[in-house]
Amino acid sequence: DAKTTQPPSMDCAEGRAANLPCNHSTISGNEYVYWYRQIHSQGPQYIIHGLKNNETNEMASLIITEDRKSSTLILPHATLRDTAVYYCIVRVALGGGNEKLTFGTGTRLTIIP
Amino acid sequence: EAQVTQNPRYLITVTGKKLTVTCSQNMNHEYMSWYRQDPGLGLRQIYYSMNVEVTDKGDVPEGYKVSRKEKRNFPLILESPSPNQTSLYFCASSSRERDIQYFGAGTRLSVL
Repeated sequence: DAKTTQPPSMDCAEGRAANLPCNHSTISGNEYVYWYRQIHSQGPQYIIHGLKNNETNEMASLIITEDRKSSTLILPHATLRDTAVYYCIVRVALGGGNEKLTFGTGTRLTIIP
Repeated sequence: EAQVTQNPRYLITVTGKKLTVTCSQNMNHEYMSWYRQDPGLGLRQIYYSMNVEVTDKGDVPEGYKVSRKEKRNFPLILESPSPNQTSLYFCASSSRERDIQYFGAGTRLSVL
């Protein structure tokens, strides 16, 4: 799985959009970009994933650059409950194999009231 | 509600006293996995299972056992716990169709 690079920490004002960047310059053509978050010491929570097109769901939007070497997770209206560590993970969506997730150090996002 | 349930949530035990941490999922998922999380080391996979009676080692299997007799359950067994197994443990599951992993709330284990 390709390596990812994220800033260690970010702040965002409550109600504003939080934009979390991720670099994955060695990503392969069949690797997806996944985002998970971990609130305090709770279990990691899936947010969104995509291959090359931008994706949106009820939680967030994922913007992947055309060359796929970087991506941005957007939380459109951040709330205090969005304070968490956000992990960007690049991996092949195998299905049927060991679907181990390799978590890096992530970005600690703090939402400021 | 779709969920992965771990028990207990907190456990303090002594060296050498066998323990089991249970994990159950209600989503009929084929794949289940155990991770441990330690400060500075992130989450590391202990064991995984791709289906009933099919289990395999992850990155840090030493000192642990697992079983998968039923699709919904994937217990983690520590036959003789040691202090270096003090950690936060997570169980996860996913289906073959949707490549999204769902995690339990975690079990914080302290071995004295």
